[in-house]
Amino acid sequence: QQQVKQSPQSLIVQKGGISIINCAYENTAFDYFPWYQQFPGKGPALLIAIRPDVSEKKEGRFTISFNKSAKQFSLHIMDSQPGDSATYFCAASTSTGRRALTFGSGTRLQVQP
Amino acid sequence: GAGVSQTPSNKVTEKGKYVELRCDPISGHTALYWYRQSLGQGPEFLIYFQGTGAADDSGLPNDRFFAVRPEGSVSTLKIQRTERGDSAVYLCASSLVGGYQETQYFGPGTRLLVL
Repeated sequence: QQQVKQSPQSLIVQKGGISIINCAYENTAFDYFPWYQQFPGKGPALLIAIRPDVSEKKEGRFTISFNKSAKQFSLHIMDSQPGDSATYFCAASTSTGRRALTFGSGTRLQVQP
Repeated sequence: GAGVSQTPSNKVTEKGKYVELRCDPISGHTALYWYRQSLGQGPEFLIYFQGTGAADDSGLPNDRFFAVRPEGSVSTLKIQRTERGDSAVYLCASSLVGGYQETQYFGPGTRLLVL
């Protein structure tokens, strides 16, 4: 019930390309969906987040698409840059229970120059 | 303007030993979280503090794990009788009041290796 499934495990994209990472959840009580970016040796940092009352949120080159009926959401990185090379985690939480985040297993993105 | 800090950055210990991991949250943040991140995995929740009290400790794997936050700021995660399976990166995060949809700010983590 608490699981968030993330794919792919790793992704290689050419500079300027689009990176797409997908997540699916089971717990319908989840109502907040952030994405975190983690560089080696650092803690995760919030990248962008979405609530289920909207289907898309865009911030610069980063876009979250949300499909409530399918219980899926995805991160799109447009014009991917070598500096975007990092591990990305989707996460979810609920307003009605645990405050902590439930994370996906992560996607290691490598953007080749 | 410092972020969340954690000490030590690395800890190597022997099986059966006791370890303490420290977290210093962002000043003024009343909510503090501990997560554990195994290699190649996402962080897993351990415990959440609201002020000095543990509001949710449902993620602690067993009674060898314990955490305190006596003055509502610094927190210490304590692991007794360490096992090799405890090897992981222990992450601490803080947020302003622990509210819904609040950003959690993570520290760099403590890398624990149990030999």
